[in-house]
Amino acid sequence: EVQLVESGGGLVKPGGSLRLSCAASGFTFSTSNMNWVRQAPGKGLEWVSSMSGSGTSIFYADSLKGRFTISRDNAENSLYLQMHSLRAEDTAVYYCARDVHPLIDIWGQGTMVTVSS
Amino acid sequence: QPVLTQSSSASASLGSSVKLTCTLSSGHSSYIIAWHQQQPGKAPRYLMRLEAGGTYNKGSGVPDRFSGSSSGADHYLTNSNLQSEDEADYFCETWDRSARLFGGGTKLTVL
Repeated sequence: EVQLVESGGGLVKPGGSLRLSCAASGFTFSTSNMNWVRQAPGKGLEWVSSMSGSGTSIFYADSLKGRFTISRDNAENSLYLQMHSLRAEDTAVYYCARDVHPLIDIWGQGTMVTVSS
Repeated sequence: QPVLTQSSSASASLGSSVKLTCTLSSGHSSYIIAWHQQQPGKAPRYLMRLEAGGTYNKGSGVPDRFSGSSSGADHYLTNSNLQSEDEADYFCETWDRSARLFGGGTKLTVL
């Protein structure tokens, strides 16, 4: 079964850091482009970052550059998102997603990140 | 970069047909898009990819009542036999060189 399972969300104070993980199974992870997409409460979908299967191509939403870092471990079939200097407006459900270039075809179930003092 | 425009809401009766629209901004009408469904409280689900010529490819398990089409800058998702479980938000998506973009979503209510 093709599956993406996110973890690592939680409550963090403004200015804090958090690392999200996404465990992939049921497909060849090492050749798959992967993404992080977030959704603030009651809002639409916002793309965060994308990474190619080899890790050589990385893209970020302009508004997030410098604070968020995407990475992957193909040996562990895992995708990560390191987030620094978190703000209240980063509060959202964060989804891991695979794309078959160029469009997303698999979504994870999401992990909630709440930034609040 | 392209902009994807969707109506904020739509409604239709159980068993009827409904057509949702995603309009690509000027100069980007040939872009390929995807449609995703998000039922209340759930993660998004991929429905199909749709090319400018109207060719569409659905995801695994997507019911036959869903289809896609396009006309110029307008890309459509049609549901030919609305069911209660189709009440959801529907998002369109595209990719432009180095950025992924989503429409604002259409909230579909089944009456």
